[in-house]
Amino acid sequence: NAGVTQTPKFRVLKTGQSMTLLCAQDMNHEYMYWYRQDPGMGLRLIHYSVGEGTTAKGEVPDGYNVSRLKKQNFLLGLESAAPSQTSVYFCASRRRSSNQPQHFGDGTRLSIL
Amino acid sequence: LAKTTQPISMDSYEGQEVNITCSHNNIATNDYITWYQQFPSQGPRFIIQGYKTKVTNEVASLFIPADRKSSTLSLPRVSLSDTAVYYCLVGDGWGSSNTGKLIFGQGTTLQVKP
Repeated sequence: NAGVTQTPKFRVLKTGQSMTLLCAQDMNHEYMYWYRQDPGMGLRLIHYSVGEGTTAKGEVPDGYNVSRLKKQNFLLGLESAAPSQTSVYFCASRRRSSNQPQHFGDGTRLSIL
Repeated sequence: LAKTTQPISMDSYEGQEVNITCSHNNIATNDYITWYQQFPSQGPRFIIQGYKTKVTNEVASLFIPADRKSSTLSLPRVSLSDTAVYYCLVGDGWGSSNTGKLIFGQGTTLQVKP
């Protein structure tokens, strides 16, 4: 039982490049989340999904797109990377039922030069 | 969504009890209160959750007063390994509170000294 797996763990991009971060969970959770965490800061919600085929904006959605084509996967895309998107990205999932905790991945460390 | 306010940082010594308070004045009737712990270079992990009064597990206790406008995470006899950031979240309840949207605050950085 792997829990929440994020791919890749590290990546360096040049400004303007695009990439996709993958989050996979094997717990059959309905809800999935993407957060970013800048140095010394808390986590900020980028986008989230309450089910397959549905996504919603969080606190800081600009510059990112997401897709949830399969229940177990939640993809975060950067179409044209900017230095301001240098951060650690965390994915999380949880059951739809009330008072269910989030389960987090180990993060993807992304640097944009 | 209810906003949470916590102290930015706290210091303690090994063996002491640590209490971290979180304010959530706009908490909704259906909201739960959840606390997470985060070590450097790791994702947050669930510590404890409650709705009212007191909840205790093997790691911590959570005290929630009757008005539910605040909550206190209590860590008994902390050790160096409890040095981490602690986050309080509000939401994740039932009905209209279970929108799926969960917002983290700034968290409290706890430094445990020998």
